[in-house]
Amino acid sequence: DGGITQSPKYLFRKEGQNVTLSCEQNLNHDAMYWYRQDPGQGLRLIYYSQIVNDFQKGDIAEGYSVSREKKESFPLTVTSAQKNPTAFYLCASMGTSGISSYNEQFFGPGTRLTVL
Amino acid sequence: DAKTTQPTSMDCAEGRAANLPCNHSTISGNEYVYWYRQIHSQGPQYIIHGLKNNETNEMASLIITEDRKSSTLILPHATLRDTAVYYCIVSYNQGGKLIFGQGTELSVKP
Repeated sequence: DGGITQSPKYLFRKEGQNVTLSCEQNLNHDAMYWYRQDPGQGLRLIYYSQIVNDFQKGDIAEGYSVSREKKESFPLTVTSAQKNPTAFYLCASMGTSGISSYNEQFFGPGTRLTVL
Repeated sequence: DAKTTQPTSMDCAEGRAANLPCNHSTISGNEYVYWYRQIHSQGPQYIIHGLKNNETNEMASLIITEDRKSSTLILPHATLRDTAVYYCIVSYNQGGKLIFGQGTELSVKP
């Protein structure tokens, strides 16, 4: 099945620890995105990558880092510098060429991070 | 990117049409209107998008006013599974970022 996987679904960490969230897609999409969602709020863009080995900051990048070494993978590290890391994190991907040349982003199931 | 305004919540009876409004008075000429929905604790799902003309697909219809300052998403026969938060977003088609506001929480009731 084609799609986006995020693991784990639930993640608990102690304050002060860095944690890396996984996002993998087998849709052959060039673009990938990370969003954060707080309770009762919409999604906010953290980082995005339009091509391998390149990425840009979104609206709330402080305290986060990413890498894009492979087309299929876009891991997000939540560092100890992120003041309020507890949130629901969503990864998405999008095709940027051919028939699917519009903003249809495909989302993963999300990872709920709780920092204790 | 243009900002959108949506009602915070709406109710709809099962089997009836759900009409979700969206205002986007500052939309620019080449920005599209997109609709996504998010069922509780899942990732958002694309529904439909349009530029000027009304659009219909297997999920919904999108009606855009002639001045493009507002639009309505129509779910023709709402079911309980349509209970979700619906986001109206305006964005450029290529390379545009999707900015999710708070959306409209639609509750479909039996």
